[in-house]
Amino acid sequence: EAGVAQSPRYKIIEKRQSVAFWCNPISGHATLYWYQQILGQGPKLLIQFQNNGVVDDSQLPKDRFSAERLKGVDSTLKIQPAKLEDSAVYLCASILGMGLYEQYFGPGTRLTVT
Amino acid sequence: AQSVTQPDIHITVSEGASLELRCNYSYGATPYLFWYVQSPGQGLQLLLKYFSGDTLVQGIKGFEAEFKRSQSSFNLRKPSVHWSDAAEYFCAVGGNIAGNMLTFGGGTRLMVKP
Repeated sequence: EAGVAQSPRYKIIEKRQSVAFWCNPISGHATLYWYQQILGQGPKLLIQFQNNGVVDDSQLPKDRFSAERLKGVDSTLKIQPAKLEDSAVYLCASILGMGLYEQYFGPGTRLTVT
Repeated sequence: AQSVTQPDIHITVSEGASLELRCNYSYGATPYLFWYVQSPGQGLQLLLKYFSGDTLVQGIKGFEAEFKRSQSSFNLRKPSVHWSDAAEYFCAVGGNIAGNMLTFGGGTRLMVKP
């Protein structure tokens, strides 16, 4: 069974530029999460999708971050414009459905904003 | 609000010695508890999880953890550490509240001396 796929693995941009990350969850997994992990900290949830609907985006900085999962499969997280403090690893995770709690994580995208 | 505290930011042990990583949580209902391990440049791998039942849970790579409700703790243990165990370890809490959302601790970085 293929795991959670993310791309790119690394990205370096200048502040005020825009960037997008892509995630393809495990096949059949209805629930998808995006986390932000700043160096030296634990992951922090940004947004949770159930199929193509948003379940929780309360911690997503909506003035600059957006995410979509249009067909209920893969997802894109965008930052526009980026700030220095957005430098972090962005992790995608998925689970089969609500009520099943083992989240499977992708390798992450390391973003550096200069 | 749910939270997780990992009091030890760094721990160094000698290879072959025993290990205990501490985790304290706050959660408003029955918690589901997890330990994840993250090697440099890698995503998070689940070591073990507690949902209910026996409070001593076994995981992969020889790890175990004990849930103590009275102390709000879920400490991770291993009787004999191997050099390959050097990594960052994260404790997380989730459950029926907030739709399976996981809250992570800040992590404990484990270093293993030869």
